Amino acid sequence: AQSVTQLGSHVSVSEGALVLLRCNYSSSVPPYLFWYVQYPNQGLQLLLKYTSAATLVKGINGFEAEFKKSETSFHLTKPSAHMSDAAEYFCAVMNRDDKIIFGKGTRLHILP
Amino acid sequence: DAGVIQSPRHEVTEMGQEVTLRCKPISGHNSLFWYRQTMMRGLELLIYFNNNVPIDDSGMPEDRFSAKMPNASFSTLKIQPSEPRDSAVYFCASSPGTSNEQFFGPGTRLTVL
Repeated sequence: AQSVTQLGSHVSVSEGALVLLRCNYSSSVPPYLFWYVQYPNQGLQLLLKYTSAATLVKGINGFEAEFKKSETSFHLTKPSAHMSDAAEYFCAVMNRDDKIIFGKGTRLHILP
Repeated sequence: DAGVIQSPRHEVTEMGQEVTLRCKPISGHNSLFWYRQTMMRGLELLIYFNNNVPIDDSGMPEDRFSAKMPNASFSTLKIQPSEPRDSAVYFCASSPGTSNEQFFGPGTRLTVL
């Protein structure tokens, strides 16, 4: 079965610093991969998705993720953190049966 | 587009009462998903429908939970009787089809006293 592992349930970065949120997936076939963001008291919102086109995927709010098959990784990055980026981020993989399997989430804290 | 609509946004009830959560998916989407989110267990898929038909309900915790989708624009998740451990945020999401992302509603925060 497909699954995702997010390393670090909490990550803190200073405003203006690089954001790196780690995600590794397990899949026997080329997967569809997603990053979602959840702001407090809101539903999940799609940041970006990988569907076997370009390995570097650009999303909203300056985020991007790179699919690395050799490392089974799909890490999320942003060059310069902003206070408004404070939220919980979920990596997810889609099964062939259209089900999305979510990771446990990483809460991003931005330090002033 | 109004997005996925859920009601109510907040529900407080007493143990033993029936609770009904409602969802209106995005028009034209043919897949609908119900999730539960708690601090302890994270985001759990409860059940999903495709073209109004339940495809996988293996995530429904027990017989007290039931879900219906009588038409393409409406779904309900019912808990009867409710228990304090059912307290969580319940999300509905819809998708336009295979290999597409899911669009989430704002959630219903359920508190069972």
